[in-house]
Amino acid sequence: SQQGEEDPQALSIQEGENATMNCSYKTSINNLQWYRQNSGRGLVHLILIRSNEREKHSGRLRVTLDTSKKSSSLLITASRAADTASYFCATDDAGNNRKLIWGLGTSLAVNP
Amino acid sequence: NAGVMQNPRHLVRRRGQEARLRCSPMKGHSHVYWYRQLPEEGLKFMVYLQKENIIDESGMPKERFSAEFPKEGPSILRIQQVVRGDSAAYFCASSPPGPTSGNTIYFGEGSWLTVV
Repeated sequence: SQQGEEDPQALSIQEGENATMNCSYKTSINNLQWYRQNSGRGLVHLILIRSNEREKHSGRLRVTLDTSKKSSSLLITASRAADTASYFCATDDAGNNRKLIWGLGTSLAVNP
Repeated sequence: NAGVMQNPRHLVRRRGQEARLRCSPMKGHSHVYWYRQLPEEGLKFMVYLQKENIIDESGMPKERFSAEFPKEGPSILRIQQVVRGDSAAYFCASSPPGPTSGNTIYFGEGSWLTVV
């Protein structure tokens, strides 16, 4: 069953703008992860946020987690054309970190 | 330290043939996962293996699909008598042994199967 649901499904912005993607999930989690996938390529891990954390930063990435709303957001600041990719959130399955449940992804296009 | 290696990257099979996808985990990693990504969809968990053991195969179709991770050699995902609906990207991932909490898993570049 689908756990994470990202929105928007697609996002198109200009270079330099910020991009915000959201992810909602259904069950209790231990952690939530964001991954990036370039077209035709594998998934690259971006950031992991634990259920007891509310915000985490990594370079131009900022992730928030609201466990009361079962939602997370990924903010990419000062976007670049190279950020063009699909972004997925993944949560563990009822505390089983070995099995990730994925959303459908947000397709981000950053126009030069 | 090489990443997760998958081969072939692209595979074309006719309906009814067999597809074999290979995955070598990162050095030191003893856990292997297979995920499937259908066109325009997110990833779906298929199976989780440790050396010589299938730990969780709850995402594997009941028929035609099998996976193994032998003591020596790569993990293999085998699809027998492929059908058009098996066309997808199959991703392998690996993680090190140890506590599960907060473990990041590392993905290979995927194997794209096309059934014609």
